[in-house]
Amino acid sequence: QVQLVESGGGVVQPGRSLRLSCEASGFTFSAYAMHWVRQAPGKGLEWVAVISDDGSNEYYVDSVKGRFTFSRDNSKNTVYMQMNSLRVEDTAVYYCARALKAAAGLPFHWGQGTLVTVSA
Amino acid sequence: EIVLTQSPDTLSLSPGERATLSCRASQSISSKYLAWYQQKFGQTPKLLIFGASTRSTGIPDRFSGSGSGTDFTLTISRLEPEDFAVYYCQQYGSSPYTFGQGTKLDIK
Repeated sequence: QVQLVESGGGVVQPGRSLRLSCEASGFTFSAYAMHWVRQAPGKGLEWVAVISDDGSNEYYVDSVKGRFTFSRDNSKNTVYMQMNSLRVEDTAVYYCARALKAAAGLPFHWGQGTLVTVSA
Repeated sequence: EIVLTQSPDTLSLSPGERATLSCRASQSISSKYLAWYQQKFGQTPKLLIFGASTRSTGIPDRFSGSGSGTDFTLTISRLEPEDFAVYYCQQYGSSPYTFGQGTKLDIK
């Protein structure tokens, strides 16, 4: 069955960097777009970024553009989010999600998430 | 950016009642690229509806979606105890693929 396992979260000071990973299994990884969606404590869902199946295209929410970089390694069935210049408002659970095959913009299958806390 | 506004913020109903949740977009959503998710406390979101009205695999038929353009609705025909949760709409027609702020459905 589809499994998505995020890792790399933790506590980091403002201005520092962190790299999240999401390892996928149970499906043909290279055939699907992948997403990151975040949820601040007690708040709603915020879509963060998507990467195409071959990694050639990425799109981001404005609040992370220029700071976050989404990449993937199809040989390792893994996506990454490099997060630089972190801000307090980036504190959230970060979910990795696989898109629906027929709709690359739709997060369909979600991982359990990894918590990122940005605090001095 | 397409802004999605859900209403109401909180809906208090009893099991067996009908729930109607609204999602309004700041501009027309192309090709009905509108989805609904359910999130229970401490759990990951679950996709209920995509394409505005297509139920995802395994979703009971008491859940239905409708609408087009800028106005969309999620209807739960007869509430079961397990339906009390937070519901989000999301548009996936144009990046950034925004979510609404959520509607909390709680037990009256």
